[in-house]
Amino acid sequence: NAGVTQTPKFRVLKTGQSMTLLCAQDMNHEYMYWYRQDPGMGLRLIHYSVGEGTTAKGEVPDGYNVSRLKKQNFLLGLESAAPSQTSVYFCASSILGDDTGELFFGEGSRLTVL
Amino acid sequence: GENVEQHPSTLSVQEGDSAVIKCTYSDSASNYFPWYKQELGKRPQLIIDIRSNVGEKKDQRIAVTLNKTAKHFSLHITETQPEDSAVYFCAASDGNNRLAFGKGNQVVVIP
Repeated sequence: NAGVTQTPKFRVLKTGQSMTLLCAQDMNHEYMYWYRQDPGMGLRLIHYSVGEGTTAKGEVPDGYNVSRLKKQNFLLGLESAAPSQTSVYFCASSILGDDTGELFFGEGSRLTVL
Repeated sequence: GENVEQHPSTLSVQEGDSAVIKCTYSDSASNYFPWYKQELGKRPQLIIDIRSNVGEKKDQRIAVTLNKTAKHFSLHITETQPEDSAVYFCAASDGNNRLAFGKGNQVVVIP
């Protein structure tokens, strides 16, 4: 039981390049989330999904897109990376909504945009 | 939306002493308040949570207290140990069933 797995763990991009972060969970959780973590800013929600085929915007969605084609996977895409998107990205999943139960986080993906 | 603030931003304690971190929230409809611990370079992990129908909850050396009237909740760590050194995030559910995180407190336990 691997829990929540993120790939890749590290990536360096040039401004304007695109990339996709993959999150996979093997706990059969309905809810999945993408957060970004910046120094002194805590965890900020980018997008989330309440089930297969659904997505919704969080607090800081601009510049990102997501897809949840399969229940176990939640993809985060950057179409045209900007230096402001340099951050550590965490995926999380939960059985219930994040306002009622535990969030299980992945190990994080460190993205640097030059 | 919900606004969660944590104080102090950094807390240093001697090993064996107690540590208290306080969070305030703005939405009176909030009803779920978890605390997450993040060790350096690791993922955040839930350590304790409390719901609005309870005033206090304990789990070994950690406890959380909730004051709904004043809209604040606190994390208490007793008999601190070096492994308690981490960043602690509080969070509160907002009126739209979303979780809002505070910016985190750095706790340093000095051996």
